[in-house]
Amino acid sequence: DIVMTQSPDSLAVSLGERATINCKTSQSVLSSSNNGNSLAWYQKKPGQPPKVLIYWASTRGSGVPDRFSGSGSGTDFTLTISSLQAEDVAVYYCQQYYRSRTFGQGTKVEIK
Amino acid sequence: QVQLVQSGAEVKKPGASVKVSCKASGYTFSVYYIHWVRQAPGQGLECLGWIRTANGDTDYTPKFQGRVTLTRDTSINTVYMELSRLTSDDTAMYYCVRENWFYDFWGQGTLVTVSS
Repeated sequence: DIVMTQSPDSLAVSLGERATINCKTSQSVLSSSNNGNSLAWYQKKPGQPPKVLIYWASTRGSGVPDRFSGSGSGTDFTLTISSLQAEDVAVYYCQQYYRSRTFGQGTKVEIK
Repeated sequence: QVQLVQSGAEVKKPGASVKVSCKASGYTFSVYYIHWVRQAPGQGLECLGWIRTANGDTDYTPKFQGRVTLTRDTSINTVYMELSRLTSDDTAMYYCVRENWFYDFWGQGTLVTVSS
């Protein structure tokens, strides 16, 4: 299994400030067939199903605000919220889909 | 628009089985795999397995092998997840999801509570 490790487990950021979440995979998720990284980011709010924010490591999902961005390649990835808004309070998960599917343990984002 | 609509909440006793349905609409059912993911209270997201809706092929996460069964009815664009030999550890929200490499659409979730 590909193990996903997110850091930090939680973070508190002031409104309008930057939030950065890291995700490390136990092996590379870079596909040689399409040169894409099989890595997605999801946002989970209480009482709602998860929502995809980023896929192929850096492609924003439909309707996702451009303050959300994804970067990285191989085994190290980052989700950045450039200017935190109140509605961004949630738990964020990374997921690899290179081999089967596994999620990181989640990172809780709160307002400082 | 794409929708995955799941059946309602269930309360089961330990040792029983539960069967949850997921009805798809708004796209060609047989083109996309359906996966099942659960989230126990205070825990993260966990994959149970998937079904290839075109032919019924399945694959299950080893942890659930032997306890989970995924089936589908193409006449009504519905996938079913049955989990047997329930314990309190199976209390969770269960989601069906459409796989497009990543998970692009999610059902609303079905709460399964296991309690004596």
